[in-house]
Amino acid sequence: DAGVIQSPRHEVTEMGQEVTLRCKPISGHDYLFWYRQTMMRGLELLIYFNNNVPIDDSGMPEDRFSAKMPNASFSTLKIQPSEPRDSAVYFCASSLNTAQPQHFGDGTRLSIL
Amino acid sequence: SQQGEEDPQALSIQEGENATMNCSYKTSINNLQWYRQNSGRGLVHLILIRSNEREKHSGRLRVTLDTSKKSSSLLITASRAADTASYFCATEANQGGKLIFGQGTELSVKP
Repeated sequence: DAGVIQSPRHEVTEMGQEVTLRCKPISGHDYLFWYRQTMMRGLELLIYFNNNVPIDDSGMPEDRFSAKMPNASFSTLKIQPSEPRDSAVYFCASSLNTAQPQHFGDGTRLSIL
Repeated sequence: SQQGEEDPQALSIQEGENATMNCSYKTSINNLQWYRQNSGRGLVHLILIRSNEREKHSGRLRVTLDTSKKSSSLLITASRAADTASYFCATEANQGGKLIFGQGTELSVKP
């Protein structure tokens, strides 16, 4: 079975550019989570969706960040405009429900120059 | 703010030895989970223990949970070089929905 699929795996871009990260969750999973991982702050939850509806976006750093889930098999995390401090590894994860384990993708390593 | 705090931050042992990692948390929880992360990869779920459970086993893994002390431990027995990774605890608070991850323990198992 395919796991959570993220693209791209690596992204290098200049500050001010728009960045779009993509995620395909495991089929049948109702929950989708976006995380950011840095050495300084560890793994932070940015936002999560239940049945395509955003439930908690309190972890989204600022208005430059937005996330959408137009259907059950696709989600995007967008940063516009990007800044060097956004450099991090961004993970997407999905789960059947909140009492079940989360399945993580391999992440997108984002570098903003 | 982080819910879980792990200790030690780093642990280096020889193959065949046991590795113990500890996790403390602040609020009441529904469950506590342990994950492993190999370098450059996503997190992989290892084991979930519910708030009404005290101990759970899975292969060479043993997890304990003490809700009165708000703490958990992960024991890896007979460690292997392939166990080298970062290990994270994560708690689902009573309000439900999201996991809060600790900062992780970096385990190095030397052959």
